[in-house]
Amino acid sequence: DADVTQTPRNRITKTGKRIMLECSQTKGHDRMYWYRQDPGLGLQLIYYSFDVKDINKGEISDGYSVSRQAQAKFSLSLESAIPNQTALYFCATSDPTGFTGELFFGEGSRLTVL
Amino acid sequence: AQSVTQPDIHITVSEGASLELRCNYSYGATPYLFWYVQSPGQGLQLLLKYFSGDTLVQGIKGFEAEFKRSQSSFNLRKPSVHWSDAAEYFCAVGGGYQKVTFGTGTKLQVIP
Repeated sequence: DADVTQTPRNRITKTGKRIMLECSQTKGHDRMYWYRQDPGLGLQLIYYSFDVKDINKGEISDGYSVSRQAQAKFSLSLESAIPNQTALYFCATSDPTGFTGELFFGEGSRLTVL
Repeated sequence: AQSVTQPDIHITVSEGASLELRCNYSYGATPYLFWYVQSPGQGLQLLLKYFSGDTLVQGIKGFEAEFKRSQSSFNLRKPSVHWSDAAEYFCAVGGGYQKVTFGTGTKLQVIP
């Protein structure tokens, strides 16, 4: 089984709908992240969390919210989806010990907003 | 603010040929530098990383990268490319208490 699991892997929805992307990890890492990938733009950080009580905005947090339900779970919500939120979304974790910054990624959730 | 530039959007090489992917960074201190690879339909996997010490670092799948402080570069190299190396490659900077910033990626096509 994957260390970082994202659900759903693919989702098609309509403008205005609420969408939740879920991420769970078995790596025991405190730090979790949500990134968005668009062609030609690389990965942009949406939100990150360094522990259960810590939530921080990234570069492109507008239109998104997150919930850190437990050390192992970090969910991303789109309260009212719009077409320009069509993208590939990645959850990632990192281990703060050693401060290496290495990220461990899930396989991605492809979201299409019509 | 930290940033990463990957000047090549697409690169095409013949199988067996050598490869160099360019990466330039901007960072206020000694950087933590990374190369990740993304195969189609997959998440990103770490190829190699540099924190300190030897400026030539070895990674998985036969890749290596060289840190050149004077040029603010961290180019990725492979002596002989295999068809399975076709993927998108991302350079990244950051780490520690700093967030990781990614470049825009370079797509590698390998032709027979």
